[in-house]
Amino acid sequence: NAGVMQNPRHLVRRRGQEARLRCSPMKGHSHVYWYRQLPEEGLKFMVYLQKENIIDESGMPKERFSAEFPKEGPSILRIQQVVRGDSAAYFCASSPPVSGANVLTFGAGSRLTVL
Amino acid sequence: DAKTTQPTSMDCAEGRAANLPCNHSTISGNEYVYWYRQIHSQGPQYIIHGLKNNETNEMASLIITEDRKSSTLILPHATLRDTAVYYCIVRVGTDSWGKLQFGAGTQVVVTP
Repeated sequence: NAGVMQNPRHLVRRRGQEARLRCSPMKGHSHVYWYRQLPEEGLKFMVYLQKENIIDESGMPKERFSAEFPKEGPSILRIQQVVRGDSAAYFCASSPPVSGANVLTFGAGSRLTVL
Repeated sequence: DAKTTQPTSMDCAEGRAANLPCNHSTISGNEYVYWYRQIHSQGPQYIIHGLKNNETNEMASLIITEDRKSSTLILPHATLRDTAVYYCIVRVGTDSWGKLQFGAGTQVVVTP
């Protein structure tokens, strides 16, 4: 029973390039969340998605960041025109479709380095 | 969401119980207490949660005071692999699932 799978684990981009981070939730989980952890800082909620729907994107930067969770395939966090300040660990989490639960299973994270 | 206060760090000897306190004096009646931990460079890991009653699972026990203004996470027999940052989070159970506010947490170091 695989956990939350994230790839790539490490990604290096130059300023101005695009970064795509992928997340496959646990089997049976239909809710996906993305969190960001800047160096030496705490985890910050970014976005909450269900299949084909963005439920809460209150933590997403207004520009350059987007997320999707298509009907088929993994969830994708896309960062356009990356800047050095985007260097961080991006964690995906998933949960089953059970109301009232904040019990999340996190992936190992994708570490983005912007040169 | 109610704000939580945790000590910045604490040490624990291997094999002994680790008692991690958390203050949440502004907690409201429908807010749960959640504990997660993050071992260095890994994704956070859910430990336990509770509303009013004490809870126990294979990882830890959660003791919540009667007035619910504070709680204690107990790791009964700490091992070196329990070295991690432990986060106490208070959240309404049925609102904005998964939108957790991670504070600075408590850095726990388990020593041989």
